[in-house]
Amino acid sequence: DAGVTQSPTHLIKTRGQQVTLRCSPKSGHDTVSWYQQALGQGPQFIFQYYEEEERQRGNFPDRFSGHQFPNYSSELNVNALLLGDSALYLCASSSGGVYGYTFGSGTRLTVV
Amino acid sequence: KQEVTQIPAALSVPEGENLVLNCSFTDSAIYNLQWFRQDPGKGLTSLLLIQSSQREQTSGRLNASLDKSSGRSTLYIAASQPGDSATYLCAVVGSNYQLIWGAGTKLIIKP
Repeated sequence: DAGVTQSPTHLIKTRGQQVTLRCSPKSGHDTVSWYQQALGQGPQFIFQYYEEEERQRGNFPDRFSGHQFPNYSSELNVNALLLGDSALYLCASSSGGVYGYTFGSGTRLTVV
Repeated sequence: KQEVTQIPAALSVPEGENLVLNCSFTDSAIYNLQWFRQDPGKGLTSLLLIQSSQREQTSGRLNASLDKSSGRSTLYIAASQPGDSATYLCAVVGSNYQLIWGAGTKLIIKP
């Protein structure tokens, strides 16, 4: 049973560029959440998708957007990249959010 | 507003010791509490999930307890090993279905 799959694992982008990160949830899970984790910090909640709609959103600017597809996979898009966007981006899936979360290995984004 | 606190922030013990990590939360209206492990630069690995109706969960050398009324959870690690060195995070899920995180306990097990 595959867990949460994230791609790519590493990414280097230039300031001002746009990036798309992808996440496939664990089989049977319908809810996908995205987190940003800067070095030495705890995960910061970006947003959560359920039934292809953004259900909750953290304190992130509109440059951060997302999408959930009918097969429950999800994308995180970041526009106009800043140096401060460099972080580990984590995707987590769950069944509605109340039966525990499973995390992927993350995408390490470096903005230069 | 839910707040989650983990004590201690860091812990260094010799191999073989039993140890306890603490997690407290301010709002007892939770669906569940989850303990995670994170190795440097890596993703999060779920260790134990305790639903709000449960008192404890066990997996191998790990045991987690939950006392909703007092807003506390403990993670007990038996016979610690150097491979247990990592950051341990607890998180609760409340009515907004989000994980609310503690700041973590950085654990170092000395050989």
